[in-house]
Amino acid sequence: DTEVTQTPKHLVMGMTNKKSLKCEQHMGHRAMYWYKQKAKKPPELMFVYSYEKLSINESVPSRFSPECPNSSLLNLHLHALQPEDSALYLCASSQMKRQGANEAFFGQGTRLTVV
Amino acid sequence: SQELEQSPQSLIVQEGKNLTINCTSSKTLYGLYWYKQKYGEGLIFLMMLQKGGEEKSHEKITAKLDEKKQQSSLHITASQPSHAGIYLCGAALYNFNKFYFGSGTKLNVKP
Repeated sequence: DTEVTQTPKHLVMGMTNKKSLKCEQHMGHRAMYWYKQKAKKPPELMFVYSYEKLSINESVPSRFSPECPNSSLLNLHLHALQPEDSALYLCASSQMKRQGANEAFFGQGTRLTVV
Repeated sequence: SQELEQSPQSLIVQEGKNLTINCTSSKTLYGLYWYKQKYGEGLIFLMMLQKGGEEKSHEKITAKLDEKKQQSSLHITASQPSHAGIYLCGAALYNFNKFYFGSGTKLNVKP
């Protein structure tokens, strides 16, 4: 199983709503990532979790709140978003090798629209 | 990211032609990856290169890594319409788990 599963595939939310994006992998990977991708742009790194602890936050606004409840799950809690936050949100996972590159597997993404 | 320069930005080729996409890093590379993405979909992993001089192939796609130049090239031989999509190079920069992408190359293959 080399799959990273993201739910939902599509999400429309109002600016006052609270919603969550979910990501799941069963490859035993101990690094998990959230990326944001705007149209015609490459994915931008948001957060990295290593061994269920937040290791990298790329200065993401606090209206995005990540959570890693266990080694297989990664959530992204959304609150008071702005229309400019509309984008494709991608989750990825990889092994945590101390040396050497880590192949990252990506989910299909959640297409988020903020209205 | 500005740390990874990818060229060209877009490419239109006739079916059967060969093509090359380049990716250059301004930072130390801890691994170089190539992905393919269809619009609005997730990324499909193509290849990972780690060592200088390394070359990998998958079907008609070959990627090479020049560690000294901090550069990688992706070469498609005898392109087909199924090769169309956006090709992204990615690299672990600063450390093995801080992963960034180039700006992408949009490839169209005309039948």
